[in-house]
Amino acid sequence: DSGVTQTPKHLITATGQRVTLRCSPRSGDLSVYWYQQSLDQGLQFLIQYYNGEERAKGNILERFSAQQFPDLHSELNLSSLELGDSALYFCASSPSVGGGTGELFFGEGSRLTVL
Amino acid sequence: QQQVKQSPQSLIVQKGGISIINCAYENTAFDYFPWYQQFPGKGPALLIAIRPDVSEKKEGRFTISFNKSAKQFSLHIMDSQPGDSATYFCAASSQGGKLIFGQGTELSVKP
Repeated sequence: DSGVTQTPKHLITATGQRVTLRCSPRSGDLSVYWYQQSLDQGLQFLIQYYNGEERAKGNILERFSAQQFPDLHSELNLSSLELGDSALYFCASSPSVGGGTGELFFGEGSRLTVL
Repeated sequence: QQQVKQSPQSLIVQKGGISIINCAYENTAFDYFPWYQQFPGKGPALLIAIRPDVSEKKEGRFTISFNKSAKQFSLHIMDSQPGDSATYFCAASSQGGKLIFGQGTELSVKP
């Protein structure tokens, strides 16, 4: 158990809808990262927050947004969903501002299916 | 320049054999190279990592070999076991920034 909690584990929705994925980082970790995992794209970095502030942005679509709240949990909002958004969405956390200097702790992911 | 290319996509090895997964990068600013292991239904977990000031790092049956001039690094799993069957991701980052992951290699170790 990594200590990172993601909800929901599974989500099935229709095209055009909006969903929110939630992540609770490990206790004490200030950085939260969101990654998208699909069969043909591997693990794609979406966005990073550190202590409530956006720190780095990757290949995140404009239809997607995220935030980190004062209690350090984070939410990833996906709107106007398309079939191609079906994927596994991972949240990871780390104690430092840069995840590249140490271990990222991943949750078990939220599997989104868009029908 | 931000890509990390990983091969092969899938690998089948007999129990007791050596599994080798390769990664290549372009960005010479990368200074941290971890490998993550992912079992079905789980998130990736750090397996082993290396920095470019050393050419090899070994932890148990797992070894990273690093070739700075060729901009390549590889994971060797000695005496591969069925329990090693998982997806392996290489990754790289620069100055503590975000991790860029390779495409992943699905390893199957046959008994």
